[in-house]
Amino acid sequence: SVLTQPPSVSAAPGQKVAISCSGSSSNIGGNYVAWYQHLPGTAPKLLIYDNDKRPSGIPDRFSGSKSGTSGTLGITGLQTGDEGDYYCGTWDSSLSAVVFGGGTKLTVL
Amino acid sequence: EVQLVESGGGLVQPGGSLRLSCAASGFTFSSYWMHWVRQGPGKGLVWVSRINSDGSTTGYADSVKGRFTISRDNAKNTLYLQMSGLRAEDTAVYYCARESKTGSDIDYWGQGTLVTVSS
Repeated sequence: SVLTQPPSVSAAPGQKVAISCSGSSSNIGGNYVAWYQHLPGTAPKLLIYDNDKRPSGIPDRFSGSKSGTSGTLGITGLQTGDEGDYYCGTWDSSLSAVVFGGGTKLTVL
Repeated sequence: EVQLVESGGGLVQPGGSLRLSCAASGFTFSSYWMHWVRQGPGKGLVWVSRINSDGSTTGYADSVKGRFTISRDNAKNTLYLQMSGLRAEDTAVYYCARESKTGSDIDYWGQGTLVTVSS
């Protein structure tokens, strides 16, 4: 994948995790980052847009940030219902294409 | 409520063709760019194609360029993906998705339709 994410992260219920997304100047460095949650058997859902904004209905346990060519998704107060795959995404100006990270599997132990 | 409902998936032989449809409701379809994104078995999300609101501008991933064609019928609130020259590596769940008004993200996704390319 053009964007690099850790394959997996895990933490106990109630704890917090951070998922990183690394790119380059042609994608994250020059464009907004979005984060998507993909739970088993459901459609992907937008969690964070424009680096750090939450759509209505998304709890403030989810947060986003961007620095240079990397973005980070933070999740606090982990719940078992948060288990699933998380993807970062952005536009790549060199490829003229939407690009996604390879996805990070979150396990809430 | 925004709804995107894909259809048209199924089993097709290598080299064959298939047309996917996505019925949109709950928003003014003709005002939004639309996308197709796919997820192969055990793999991550991969962008396939996009089309602007009036259908005059399209874009494709290199892996499907020349084989897939995206189109839309704003009168029918429907997005299409015509796929030809299908290969085993095109096997995936195909998602229809709406681009946000700001153009910086995809804000709604459908449930997906499975395409299997196999002999």
